Amino acid sequence: QTVVTQEPSLTVSPGGTVTLTCASSTGAVTSDYLPSWFQQKPGQAPKALIYSTAYKHSWTPARFSGSLLGGKAALTLSGVQPEDEAEYYCLLRYSGYWVFGGGTKLTVL
Amino acid sequence: EVQLVESGGGLVQPGGSLRLSCAASGFTFNNYWMTWVRQAPGKGLEWVGNINQDGSEKYYMDSVKGRFTISRDNAKNSLYLQMSSLRAEDTAVYYCARGACDYWGQGTLVTVSS
Repeated sequence: QTVVTQEPSLTVSPGGTVTLTCASSTGAVTSDYLPSWFQQKPGQAPKALIYSTAYKHSWTPARFSGSLLGGKAALTLSGVQPEDEAEYYCLLRYSGYWVFGGGTKLTVL
Repeated sequence: EVQLVESGGGLVQPGGSLRLSCAASGFTFNNYWMTWVRQAPGKGLEWVGNINQDGSEKYYMDSVKGRFTISRDNAKNSLYLQMSSLRAEDTAVYYCARGACDYWGQGTLVTVSS
């Protein structure tokens, strides 16, 4: 069974920078996995932020960026705002199926 | 404006069946793969399955294979999830999403309980 692992929780100060990562139990994450990232706030549907590793949607704030880092997919928030406090999920594509990570709860404090 | 509206959720007994629908608008539906995602109460997102543009390819997560069937009607711009042999662990909000989940619906709650 394929497992995608994210940090369970992270805390960042307003204005700071934080990087969330996404690892695959099958080995290094590459662009072939089409890593994407989603933000979910309580009581809301998820919202797409990043697709195909690093591409932003038209609504994605500039402070969000995606990359590959040390064999993992990564989401970096620079200049964190209080409204960025949320759960963040990555999604990876495998052969014939996709898997979400367990999510990272980001606290802005 | 892209809109996805799920319906059909509700309370169902273990072993029962339910059919979810997702009405799509604001884009050319038959140009896109479509995806179902679920989220159990207080838990993370779980990819359920997807279907290609003409319905000839379908993929499912292991725990729903043989119990859930995804289909679509391109003439009606609609996506479906037929669920059978439902279990308590299928209790979740079910979301439909476009393609690799760039747009999401608001979700519909399925509760499996006696």
